Amino acid sequence: DVKVTQSSRYLVKRTGEKVFLECVQDMDHENMFWYRQDPGLGLRLIYFSYDVKMKEKGDIPEGYSVSREKKERFSLILESASTNQTSMYLCASSLPDRGYGYTFGSGTRLTVV
Amino acid sequence: GDSVTQMEGPVTLSEEAFLTINCTYTATGYPSLFWYVQYPGEGLQLLLKATKADDKGSNKGFEATYRKETTSFHLEKGSVQVSDSAVYFCALPAPGYSSASKIIFGSGTRLSIRP
Repeated sequence: DVKVTQSSRYLVKRTGEKVFLECVQDMDHENMFWYRQDPGLGLRLIYFSYDVKMKEKGDIPEGYSVSREKKERFSLILESASTNQTSMYLCASSLPDRGYGYTFGSGTRLTVV
Repeated sequence: GDSVTQMEGPVTLSEEAFLTINCTYTATGYPSLFWYVQYPGEGLQLLLKATKADDKGSNKGFEATYRKETTSFHLEKGSVQVSDSAVYFCALPAPGYSSASKIIFGSGTRLSIRP
């Protein structure tokens, strides 16, 4: 069964910590995405990548960075975690085909205290 | 720009009721259209899709028909179950990104089914 795997379901970190959220897909997809989901704000795109070592900013990149050293892995990095980054983080992957759709991971609920 | 608008929730129904969740879109051309579902505590799953006008997508008893005349892609199910309680998202591909298949999501409609 093809899948997108996020390394943690729940994570609690302290303010100022550097946080790594990992996402791995086994479908050989070129495109990978990081979203955050907050009540009343829907899904907001943080960063995406369309190839190894390639990345583009989404709608809310401030406070985040990403890394894609291998095709199957896309990491989201919170350089210095803050309480306003408490959220559900969703990773997704896709083929470069506008009709294909995304496959999502199960999400990581991050709490910054 | 391209966008989707879906009905506000929450929607609360009794088990075995008929479900409609409205979705209308604004788009350049005729892109594929999607419905995603998010069960409590989970990520989103692709529920169904339609790739061209008049196509009907279907899965798990849900259906949606791509209607270009009314620019709509309403989600329907004839008899809902408690297990259908979830948040439903209408979506379409963003235009103009040939190297990355970005998707535009609606705001989501929360559905609760009473036993």
